[in-house]
Amino acid sequence: DSGVTQTPKHLITATGQRVTLRCSPRSGDLSVYWYQQSLDQGLQFLIQYYNGEERAKGNILERFSAQQFPDLHSELNLSSLELGDSALYFCASGPGPFAEQYFGPGTRLTVT
Amino acid sequence: LAKTTQPISMDSYEGQEVNITCSHNNIATNDYITWYQQFPSQGPRFIIQGYKTKVTNEVASLFIPADRKSSTLSLPRVSLSDTAVYYCLVGEPGGGNKLTFGTGTQLKVEL
Repeated sequence: DSGVTQTPKHLITATGQRVTLRCSPRSGDLSVYWYQQSLDQGLQFLIQYYNGEERAKGNILERFSAQQFPDLHSELNLSSLELGDSALYFCASGPGPFAEQYFGPGTRLTVT
Repeated sequence: LAKTTQPISMDSYEGQEVNITCSHNNIATNDYITWYQQFPSQGPRFIIQGYKTKVTNEVASLFIPADRKSSTLSLPRVSLSDTAVYYCLVGEPGGGNKLTFGTGTQLKVEL
């Protein structure tokens, strides 16, 4: 158990819908990272927050957005969902801007 | 943006030492190298991180040559439970850079 929690564990929704994935980092960690992992794309970095501020941006689509709240939990919002958005979404947290990362168990999103 | 390249797969036997190499030819001056292990349907798990020369912890060693264009993860005396995908990650402390995972190496350990 890494200490990072993600909810929900599974999510099934239809194309065109919007969903919110939630992440609670390990106690004391200031950095939160979001990743997408699909079978054909591997592990893709989406975005990083550090102490509430966006720190780095990866291949995150404009339909996706994220934020880190004052209590340091983070949410990833996915809108106008497409079939290709079906994937495992991982959140990770770490003590610093690029220290080691501790990954949560992931949210499996299925878009039908 | 440092692109990384790893072997797609490797096979080994229990008790052997396994070395997995990651190539990162355009690594930036401020980039660190981090290795993760991932089991199916689980989040990656941090193994080790380094900047140059050699780093060792209780589970692995990381060797980085002077030019830093590659790195080698060394797993001593592997067991069946080490069967997993291993990722090499190159990124800059402080963020402001895309965190690039390698393609991953599927390690299979047999009896």
